[in-house]
Amino acid sequence: QKEVEQDPGPLSVPEGAIVSLNCTYSNSAFQYFMWYRQYSRKGPELLMYTYSSGNKEDGRFTAQVDKSSKYISLFIRDSQPSDSATYLCAMRTTGNQFYFGTGTSLTVIP
Amino acid sequence: GAVVSQHPSWVICKSGTSVKIECRSLDFQATTMFWYRQFPKQSLMLMATSNEGSKATYEQGVEKDKFLINHASLTLSTLTVTSAHPEDSSFYICSARESGSRGGTDTQYFGPGTRLTVL
Repeated sequence: QKEVEQDPGPLSVPEGAIVSLNCTYSNSAFQYFMWYRQYSRKGPELLMYTYSSGNKEDGRFTAQVDKSSKYISLFIRDSQPSDSATYLCAMRTTGNQFYFGTGTSLTVIP
Repeated sequence: GAVVSQHPSWVICKSGTSVKIECRSLDFQATTMFWYRQFPKQSLMLMATSNEGSKATYEQGVEKDKFLINHASLTLSTLTVTSAHPEDSSFYICSARESGSRGGTDTQYFGPGTRLTVL
C-alpha cells in the first residue's frame, strides 16, 4: 500500500463547477498537509498548507483535513479554465519526511 | 517570498556530455534542497536530498556517480548529469525547504524545472 493515494483522473468539469480533489493516507505520522498545482512543463506551485483537522479557506480554494479518517480534500469553487492543471497532494511527518500523491489531472472546460 | 529559481530552463546536449543544472533559493536560506525527476504525465520522482555542507542522500536506484549533487551554500544546489544519454532526457525539478524557524510553513517550494533533451 502506498503511503499516499490519489486518483490520477483525468477529471473534466464545466466552467463554474465545484471541484473536489482527494487524497488518502495510511501513516499516522503525517502532520502537515499541502496541495500543489502544476501546470504543464512547470514546477509545482504551493497552493495550500495546513496542519490541523478542519477547513482552511483561501479565495476559491478550501483545504480540508480529516485526520481521524486519514483523508484530505481540496475544493475549488467557481472553477475557471485557468485552473486546468495537475494537483498534487503532499504530506510531511514531524521528522520532515515528505510524501507526494501521484497528482490528479484537472481540465475545466469553458 | 519563497521563490526558487532554476537555470537553465531548457538544455539540449549531445550524448556523452555533462550538463549542470543550478537551483537557487532567492529570498530564503534553504538548508535542505531536493532534486526530482518527472516524466511526461507522471508524478515527481525524488532523486536525492541534499543538505548544505554535506553529501547528498540518494534514493534507491539513483546512481550517485551519474547524478552529482553539490549543495555548497544555503542558497545554491547544483545537479550535474554526467555522460548524459538519451534515456536521461527528462524534466528535472528542484525544491528548497524553507525552515519553519522564521514562522514559515516549513514546506517545499519548487523551482520551475529544467527540461533536458539528450540527442
